[in-house]
Amino acid sequence: QSALTQPRSVSGSPGQSVTISCSGTSSDVGTYNFVSWYQQHPGKAPKLMIYDVIKRPSGVPDRFSGSKSGNTASLTISGLQAADEADYFCSSYAGSFTWVFGGGTKLTVL
Amino acid sequence: QVQLQESGPGLVKPSDTLSLTCAVSGYSISSDAWWGWIRQPPGKGLEWIAYIYYSGSTYYNPSLKSRVTMSVDTSKKQISLKLSSVTAVDTALYYCARSITSGGWPHAFDFWGQGTMVTVSS
Repeated sequence: QSALTQPRSVSGSPGQSVTISCSGTSSDVGTYNFVSWYQQHPGKAPKLMIYDVIKRPSGVPDRFSGSKSGNTASLTISGLQAADEADYFCSSYAGSFTWVFGGGTKLTVL
Repeated sequence: QVQLQESGPGLVKPSDTLSLTCAVSGYSISSDAWWGWIRQPPGKGLEWIAYIYYSGSTYYNPSLKSRVTMSVDTSKKQISLKLSSVTAVDTALYYCARSITSGGWPHAFDFWGQGTMVTVSS
């Protein structure tokens, strides 16, 4: 299986919205609704932000939302805050009992 | 609150076997849940290594399958990972994590340990 494709970096100003894409194939993102998103601050463990494409774990602000269209999943962060500056990773079930992560996207809050 | 704490040797010699453990607290390791190992080379992205169900069923990353063994010890409340024939490319921060489990299926990692750094070097 191959890693999912994410932009290396995105940026936005406080209060704005940003969307991070996660491009896969018909063998992973396109077929299965088991896409998740993780936020990782420097030196910290990843934190689950979205799972099953659109579900938010308890405690995650509703400013974070997930979606999917075809082979591409997206994470949208609205009302951008300085604390949102972090690396974001997507993950998907890839069939045959395997899972794959994206390469990660660095979000900069300007 | 689920807590996970990884432990390992820190430094491993090339061709040796890496052994890691993850102590679980705040959740019964015998309960219906999947547990996983994920690694992150310095400055790089995440790589899924393996999943284990509380019953012992396992799934492994195909690229590592021939070298990886994951197990669960309910009496010690810990999960373990062994990776054989290590090389420099196995140098990484190794995380253990619990997965959201529904219908006996792993969905996503909702609780993570802080990770243990492993360096492969002679």
